[in-house]
Amino acid sequence: SQKIEQNSEALNIQEGKTATLTCNYTNYSPAYLQWYRQDPGRGPVFLLLIRENEKEKRKERLKVTFDTTLKQSLFHITASQPADSATYLCALIANAGGTSYGKLTFGQGTILTVHP
Amino acid sequence: DSGVTQTPKHLITATGQRVTLRCSPRSGDLSVYWYQQSLDQGLQFLIQYYNGEERAKGNILERFSAQQFPDLHSELNLSSLELGDSALYFCASSGTGLAYNEQFFGPGTRLTVL
Repeated sequence: SQKIEQNSEALNIQEGKTATLTCNYTNYSPAYLQWYRQDPGRGPVFLLLIRENEKEKRKERLKVTFDTTLKQSLFHITASQPADSATYLCALIANAGGTSYGKLTFGQGTILTVHP
Repeated sequence: DSGVTQTPKHLITATGQRVTLRCSPRSGDLSVYWYQQSLDQGLQFLIQYYNGEERAKGNILERFSAQQFPDLHSELNLSSLELGDSALYFCASSGTGLAYNEQFFGPGTRLTVL
């Protein structure tokens, strides 16, 4: 069966360090992978999208990698700050078009806490 | 603020009842999505509309239905409510509804079924 797993339910790190979150998937052939941030009681906020033919994407302190051989995406936050504390969700879109369109399948999320 | 609005913010109702959740997408966005988020199931895709037409469907229960109106706002109708329907319901919108579009999520409606 299809599965998306984010490796840790919770990750605690010290301010200034790099946070690395993992998203693994099985029985998918995603065309796109997206990362979202969600704060308690609020809707997810889009952070980055990476395509299947891209290895890496960066935006300010954020970096995403996508390895379709390992079926894994890594999400990095460098120079982390307490304000980065939130739940981070990875989401897949299984096909580039067809009947999947914008149907996102989300992982369970990783709760990141950055300690001052 | 994402530009997506949802009403009501909170809804408390009893089992067996029917409720309607409303969503207004960002100005200019043609596609609307509905998601359900519960503690045990996480964030689950329910259904997508594009310019008034159903575009993609997830594991949406038969008791649930949705539509998108000509002014592009959308409603999610939940009927014969059960305790297990208690969850946060999010609406999201995107420009064209294609796979590579980022989705902008609303603040959600928290439904409690007693």
